[in-house]
Amino acid sequence: QKEVEQNSGPLSVPEGAIASLNCTYSDRGSQSFFWYRQYSGKSPELIMSIYSNGDKEDGRFTAQLNKASQYVSLLIRDSQPSDSATYLCAVNRETGFQKLVFGTGTRLLVSP
Amino acid sequence: DAGVIQSPRHEVTEMGQEVTLRCKPISGHDYLFWYRQTMMRGLELLIYFNNNVPIDDSGMPEDRFSAKMPNASFSTLKIQPSEPRDSAVYFCASSLSSEGWQLFFGSGTQLSVL
Repeated sequence: QKEVEQNSGPLSVPEGAIASLNCTYSDRGSQSFFWYRQYSGKSPELIMSIYSNGDKEDGRFTAQLNKASQYVSLLIRDSQPSDSATYLCAVNRETGFQKLVFGTGTRLLVSP
Repeated sequence: DAGVIQSPRHEVTEMGQEVTLRCKPISGHDYLFWYRQTMMRGLELLIYFNNNVPIDDSGMPEDRFSAKMPNASFSTLKIQPSEPRDSAVYFCASSLSSEGWQLFFGSGTQLSVL
């Protein structure tokens, strides 16, 4: 079992729809959770972080964490073609250290 | 700040040759990370430094790989000898521990070993 698992996609949604990206992790002791966006040929950039159970909203993005189910998700409302990218889920297993384990990413395609 | 700067952007070499990748982190950042990205394995952490000191190199695949950080503004990742399976994108990233641990990635080095 991989430490961080994501469906590789592609996930195709029409413009204006809600895109839902999911991630599961294996280490129950994981502390911090992050979503990175990576455009083709570019480097990853942080878009959301979440540390406690529940929802965290930032503009069109909502991160959801359920530690009991070892599940973290990212919702993108009013999806735009510019949101088309690969979304990487990352998990930090060690308190105080940024030793992130990344999933292989989900490719999102938003069609006009 | 110009961000994390990596060089070269692309490197094509032949099997058996030595490859050196370079990184300049964001000024003031106290952590530096080297990652490797492939389609099959995604982003893998190779090694990271705190205040120029290597903390964890458990991700370095084998003795052919070595990394150094002689000062706060420069790090190298060396592969000697290189093999075709080393072909990947290598990212350097830095972070500031006092500001939320956000990783800032460089633009990466696309390495092709023929």
